Amino acid sequence: ETGVTQSPTHLIKTRGQQVTLRCSSQSGHNTVSWYQQALGQGPQFIFQYYREEENGRGNFPPRFSGLQFPNYSSELNVNALELDDSALYLCASSSRYPVEQFFGPGTRLTVL
Amino acid sequence: SQQGEEDPQALSIQEGENATMNCSYKTSINNLQWYRQNSGRGLVHLILIRSNEREKHSGRLRVTLDTSKKSSSLLITASRAADTASYFCATDWKSSGDKLTFGTGTRLAVRP
Repeated sequence: ETGVTQSPTHLIKTRGQQVTLRCSSQSGHNTVSWYQQALGQGPQFIFQYYREEENGRGNFPPRFSGLQFPNYSSELNVNALELDDSALYLCASSSRYPVEQFFGPGTRLTVL
Repeated sequence: SQQGEEDPQALSIQEGENATMNCSYKTSINNLQWYRQNSGRGLVHLILIRSNEREKHSGRLRVTLDTSKKSSSLLITASRAADTASYFCATDWKSSGDKLTFGTGTRLAVRP
């Protein structure tokens, strides 16, 4: 297992609500990336944080936002949840490019 | 959107046989990585191959890269039941930094 942890493991929300997902990066890693993985698909890049600044964003609307804290842990916030937001949300930490990314176990979000 | 596709989408083999899966991508890349995912959980890094490399080995894994065809293959030799998982290729390119674009994945089932 990697040293990346995510919480919660599972979450059920209703349409229109807001959700916050959390990620603790592996020790020594200053970069956190978030991915959304719909059922049966590969992960899709949401955004990345490097030293508390957003460092790139995928094709996701502004209601997907994030934070990175001084200890390099990170949050993913999703406002105005839609049914299509139901997915596995993965965070990954890394140090310097180009190296492997270490993934957490994911948070399974279900929007009803 | 996905960078490319893995082929086949699903593969079922007997323990001890070799498994080959292919990945095609669309844009010029810097690096290509292969990841494994067990039962919708976090991804585990397997191997990274740079755009100027043609072949790489790691234990029972052999990866090839053909940049002229924009394709890569992953060979798992002497497969085991524990190799049952989904396998994804992921690429990054010059302007993307270490932000990965994943393929659609190959689901491998190894029968004991």
